[in-house]
Amino acid sequence: GNSVTQMEGPVTLSEEAFLTINCTYTATGYPSLFWYVQYPGEGLQLLLKATKADDKGSNKGFEATYRKETTSFHLEKGSVQVSDSAVYFCALHNTDKLIFGTGTRLQVFP
Amino acid sequence: DTAVSQTPKYLVTQMGNDKSIKCEQNLGHDTMYWYKQDSKKFLKIMFSYNNKELIINETVPNRFSPKSPDKAHLNLHINSLELGDSAVYFCASSQDLVGGGEQYFGPGTRLTVT
Repeated sequence: GNSVTQMEGPVTLSEEAFLTINCTYTATGYPSLFWYVQYPGEGLQLLLKATKADDKGSNKGFEATYRKETTSFHLEKGSVQVSDSAVYFCALHNTDKLIFGTGTRLQVFP
Repeated sequence: DTAVSQTPKYLVTQMGNDKSIKCEQNLGHDTMYWYKQDSKKFLKIMFSYNNKELIINETVPNRFSPKSPDKAHLNLHINSLELGDSAVYFCASSQDLVGGGEQYFGPGTRLTVT
């Protein structure tokens, strides 16, 4: 079946630190991969996506590369800001629905 | 202009009551979804509709009944509310089923059952 596993949080960083949030997936066929972000009290927003192997998705300084060989889609950012504090969800889309990971809370302190 | 809107934002009610949550999208999308997010932030799909037709109906108690009067609206009616129904419910939409990975979420409805 299809599933997404992402690292447990919270991830706590100082401003300007480097961020990595790990995500691996299990899927049949060729899924598209996504990162969504949820700021406090809000709905999810699409952050970035990749639709095939070796694609790199990027947005707002975040990036992730679709690695078929390791079935991974790790999220990275070179220098986080306090405003990046949120819950980050890795997800895959295969046929008719999005499968989400459990979410990773990121807390960035000044 | 809010792309996906939900009402109400907060809903506090007692066990056994019946309540509805409304969702509207003004994006011209064909597909709409309902999700339940529990207190640990775990997000689970409940239903999806494409052009007013039910596509996904996950293992949700039949006390939950979605209704799509037109493709811009997807409402959720819940009968005989239970304590375990307390959660945040999100509506979302996508262009169509093929593009279903790119979803636009509403702000959520926090349901508290006492």
